Amino acid sequence: ETGVTQTPRHLVMGMTNKKSLKCEQHLGHNAMYWYKQSAKKPLELMFVYNFKEQTENNSVPSRFSPECPNSSHLFLHLHTLQPEDSALYLCASSQPEAGYGYTFGSGTRLTVV
Amino acid sequence: KQEVTQIPAALSVPEGENLVLNCSFTDSAIYNLQWFRQDPGKGLTSLLLIQSSQREQTSGRLNASLDKSSGRSTLYIAASQPGDSATYLCAVTDNYGQNFVFGPGTRLSVLP
Repeated sequence: ETGVTQTPRHLVMGMTNKKSLKCEQHLGHNAMYWYKQSAKKPLELMFVYNFKEQTENNSVPSRFSPECPNSSHLFLHLHTLQPEDSALYLCASSQPEAGYGYTFGSGTRLTVV
Repeated sequence: KQEVTQIPAALSVPEGENLVLNCSFTDSAIYNLQWFRQDPGKGLTSLLLIQSSQREQTSGRLNASLDKSSGRSTLYIAASQPGDSATYLCAVTDNYGQNFVFGPGTRLSVLP
């Protein structure tokens, strides 16, 4: 375990389902991130939260809805996804003002059928 | 807009070789550069973090160097082992140190 925990590890959902991905960190970091990793593509930044406030939304479709109730927890709510949304979704945390790098979770492998 | 490239895209070497992975970035105004390792289907594991004021960092058989002015970093792996087989990614942050931009990675295979 890296200190950043993601659940579930694997998720299969239909296009009409609603599901949520969860990320939790107890490293004392104040910034949390969602990344998407598709096959043969670089990591794509989706959302950034700093002190629970969303500071970046990288033109992500509205079928992805993030939620950050506190500095330790981050959710990604999913609804009416498309098969092309199948990917590995990675959560990370950091403490930018301290000059620390990222700590990543193990990811959620999402398959949309 | 910052862009990060990595060369080569894939590399296959026999066990025991020393090897170098390259990372280039277009905007030299970076705050941090971080090297990660990713095993298939897994998350990213941090290997080395170099802050912009530093020139290199070392951890065991790994050594990472940073030349901000030329927009380059190298990851040197000494005496490679089959367990080193993975994808290696580099990432840089902007001057606020918050958002990392990732390269596409180098897929390394070390053959026994």
